[in-house]
Amino acid sequence: DAGVIQSPRHEVTEMGQEVTLRCKPISGHDYLFWYRQTMMRGLELLIYFNNNVPIDDSGMPEDRFSAKMPNASFSTLKIQPSEPRDSAVYFCASSFSQELFFGSGTQLSVL
Amino acid sequence: DQQVKQNSPSLSVQEGRISILNCDYTNSMFDYFLWYKKYPAEGPTFLISISSIKDKNEDGRFTVFLNKSAKHLSLHIVPSQPGDSAVYFCAARIPSDSWGKLQFGAGTQVVVTP
Repeated sequence: DAGVIQSPRHEVTEMGQEVTLRCKPISGHDYLFWYRQTMMRGLELLIYFNNNVPIDDSGMPEDRFSAKMPNASFSTLKIQPSEPRDSAVYFCASSFSQELFFGSGTQLSVL
Repeated sequence: DQQVKQNSPSLSVQEGRISILNCDYTNSMFDYFLWYKKYPAEGPTFLISISSIKDKNEDGRFTVFLNKSAKHLSLHIVPSQPGDSAVYFCAARIPSDSWGKLQFGAGTQVVVTP
């Protein structure tokens, strides 16, 4: 398996634009997580899904953020409208049991 | 409010010496503690973990110590190697949560010099 695949690797956009981040989890994994990494706070959980159903979105910072998982092999995290403070690295991760497998992340820069 | 704290943003150590990374936490409900390692442009990867019912777990060059009374854990790397240069994240889990729902610290950048 190729591991968790995220796209794009880098995204530069202007304030107010819509941003969509994509994730393909490892086949067979039933949990999917979206994390955000910042220098000050490290990794923060935004939302996670179990069997494509959102279980906990308490980490989603604002209504500008939304996430979907239409099927077991695809998830999106959308920010609309984006703001400069959203600049961070966004990681998707999946798991089947105890170990969490991360993708390589999307470096988002909002100008 | 951050419940897991890594107060040292960086650590420099000579090759062959011991690296000690520290982590403090505030939530006594945490039942598992994990360390993740991250190289640039890659996602974090699992390194080692410890249950709250233990005070030490060892895996090769890596040992994690847990002091529950002090709400403190540490990761020891002996001996340190150049390939250990990475960012290390401390993480913790609450029992009722999924294994992937973790509270992470801000990370410690380790640089191993020749």
